[in-house]
Amino acid sequence: GESVGLHLPTLSVQEGDNSIINCAYSNSASDYFIWYKQESGKGPQFIIDIRSNMDKRQGQRVTVLLNKTVKHLSLQIAATQPGDSAVYFCAENIGVSGGYNKLIFGAGTRLAVHP
Amino acid sequence: SAVISQKPSRDICQRGTSLTIQCQVDSQVTMMFWYRQQPGQSLTLIATANQGSEATYESGFVIDKFPISRPNLTFSTLTVSNMSPEDSSIYLCSGRSTGELFFGEGSRLTVL
Repeated sequence: GESVGLHLPTLSVQEGDNSIINCAYSNSASDYFIWYKQESGKGPQFIIDIRSNMDKRQGQRVTVLLNKTVKHLSLQIAATQPGDSAVYFCAENIGVSGGYNKLIFGAGTRLAVHP
Repeated sequence: SAVISQKPSRDICQRGTSLTIQCQVDSQVTMMFWYRQQPGQSLTLIATANQGSEATYESGFVIDKFPISRPNLTFSTLTVSNMSPEDSSIYLCSGRSTGELFFGEGSRLTVL
C-alpha cells in the first residue's frame, strides 16, 4: 500500500518502552478531541477520545492527556509493540453554524518501534 | 461502529479527466465528510456532504472542482473534476452519528 507519513516527524522507540506523542491544537472552543492511528495503506482508526471537561482518560495501554491552558494534547502508549508502528493524528472537534460539528486534524507523528 | 466502503480503491487517471468516488456506509449516519490526504501529510477536510442539499465546502475547495452528492443517509459521491497531477492524493470518506468519526480505506488517485 501507499506509505503515509513520509514527511512527518518521527518518534523512534524500542519495543517495550513507553511512547509519548504530542499534539498542539488551535481552537480554544474545541470541545472534544480524538487520537487516530493510520497504518500504511489504510484509513485512520479511532484510538481514544477525551472531552474538554476532562484532563485525562485511560484506555487499554493508552492514555490521553489534555492541557487546555496551553492547548496541548498527548497520547501515551505503554509497553510499545511493533504493531503500534503507524502514523498518529490528533483531531479537534469544532462546532460550526447550523448545529453541526467537524473534525480538524493535526499534522501527525510517525511512530517507529524497533525490536 | 460503522463500516465504510469506497470505490475505487485506487486509480490512475489522465490529466483533464474527471473521476467519481463512491462511498457506502453500512448503517445510517448523521454526517458524512470527505477528506484529502496528500502524500506524507495529514488529512484536510474538503467538505461536509449534506443529505438532500448542497455540500458545505471548506476554504480552498469549491463545488465546481469537487462536486459532492449525498442522496440518502448511507451513500455519498465525490467527483474530482478536470484533474491535474496536483490532485494526486488519497481521498477519504468518513461518517459519524455522535462522537467518533469512522473512515473508509481511502481512494488513491494518481494523475498523470
